[in-house]
Amino acid sequence: DIVMTQSPDSLAVSLGERATIDCKASQSILYSSNNRNYLAWYQQKPGQPPQLLIYWASTRESGVPDRFSGSGSGTDFTLTISNLQAEDVAVYYCQQYYTTPLTFGGGTKVEIK
Amino acid sequence: QVQLVQSGPEVKKPGASVKVSCKASGYTFTNYDITWVRQAPGQGLEWMGWINPYNGNTKYPQNLQGRVTVTTDTTTTTAYMELGSLRSDDTAVYYCARNRDCSSAICYRDLDSWGQGTLVTVSS
Repeated sequence: DIVMTQSPDSLAVSLGERATIDCKASQSILYSSNNRNYLAWYQQKPGQPPQLLIYWASTRESGVPDRFSGSGSGTDFTLTISNLQAEDVAVYYCQQYYTTPLTFGGGTKVEIK
Repeated sequence: QVQLVQSGPEVKKPGASVKVSCKASGYTFTNYDITWVRQAPGQGLEWMGWINPYNGNTKYPQNLQGRVTVTTDTTTTTAYMELGSLRSDDTAVYYCARNRDCSSAICYRDLDSWGQGTLVTVSS
């Protein structure tokens, strides 16, 4: 199984500042035939289901604010939230869809400092 | 708009089975796989399996094989997840979700629309 390890477990960031979340896969999730990284990011607010933010490691889902960006390739990935807003308080998860079993990172809780 | 509406909360005894439904609307049901994911209280996300509503093909993780069954009813555009031999550690919120892109021969397994979740509590 591909293990997805997120860091940190939680972070507190001031409003308007940048939050950075890392996600490391235990093996490469870059598919050579199409040069795509099979990595998604989700946001989950309390009492709500997860919401897709980013797929293919860096493509924003429709309607997602451009302060959310994804980067990385192979095994190392980053979600960056620029200009943090109060509504961004949530837990963020990465997910690999390169192979089964589909696996998720343990989550990173983002709070306001 | 795409909507997935799940059935209500359930309380079950250990050893029993539970069946959760997921009613889809706002898109062509047979064009997208449905995936099930669960989340134990205060914990992360665990993949439980998927189904292709067009042909009924399914895929499950090894650790749930034999205990979980995912089905669909295309006439009512509803997906179902049944979990048997329930244990206390099956207590969780169960989600159905739509795979974002199944337009090619390959269905990509990121999830763009989710149901609201169904709390299943297993307790004696």
